[in-house]
Amino acid sequence: GAGVSQSPRYKVAKRGQDVALRCDPISGHVSLFWYQQALGQGPEFLTYFQNEAQLDKSGLPSDRFFAERPEGSVSTLKIQRTQQEDSAVYLCASSRPRTSNEQFFGPGTRLTVL
Amino acid sequence: AQTVTQSQPEMSVQEAETVTLSCTYDTSESDYYLFWYKQPPSRQMILVIRQEAYKQQNATENRFSVNFQKAAKSFSLKISDSQLGDAAMYFCAYRSLGGSEKLVFGKGTKLTVNP
Repeated sequence: GAGVSQSPRYKVAKRGQDVALRCDPISGHVSLFWYQQALGQGPEFLTYFQNEAQLDKSGLPSDRFFAERPEGSVSTLKIQRTQQEDSAVYLCASSRPRTSNEQFFGPGTRLTVL
Repeated sequence: AQTVTQSQPEMSVQEAETVTLSCTYDTSESDYYLFWYKQPPSRQMILVIRQEAYKQQNATENRFSVNFQKAAKSFSLKISDSQLGDAAMYFCAYRSLGGSEKLVFGKGTKLTVNP
């Protein structure tokens, strides 16, 4: 079956622009996660959803970052007024809640802010 | 807050040999999960192996096995009969049993396999 997909795969933004990153989880996966991976670092948690409910947003670095999952399937991570330090790979993952504990990751979106 | 430490930024191994990657973690919880994920250069993260903290037996998956030392808060990954396809970044990760399902990752170890 299809895995987690993310779009776009690459995004270049000028400082100050708004960007929207999309994640399509595996069908039937209730939990959806967003991570930020800076170059040469491990992924860092941003936020996660169970269905449409955002259960933990403790990792969002500032109020410029906003995530939504209005129908409990596709999710969008929005970054307003992008800054150079936002340059990173943004990873999305999905899982069934608690049963398998395995998170399945997408290929990521590489965001470069000039 | 939980933290995960991988003290080896890079490791190398000869093809067919065995290599061990180290991971330590800090937590006050008694029940949790530990994972090793592999991230090849294409960037898609794949689960290698998982361990439930309440299980004393070390997890194994074919050529991959772990040495889980709960008291020492250590969780190392052993790769036997290394293959060229094992070359990747390896990340150790922690997940609480209750509360948030988020993963806490270490900084990773880059594994090179020499032919």
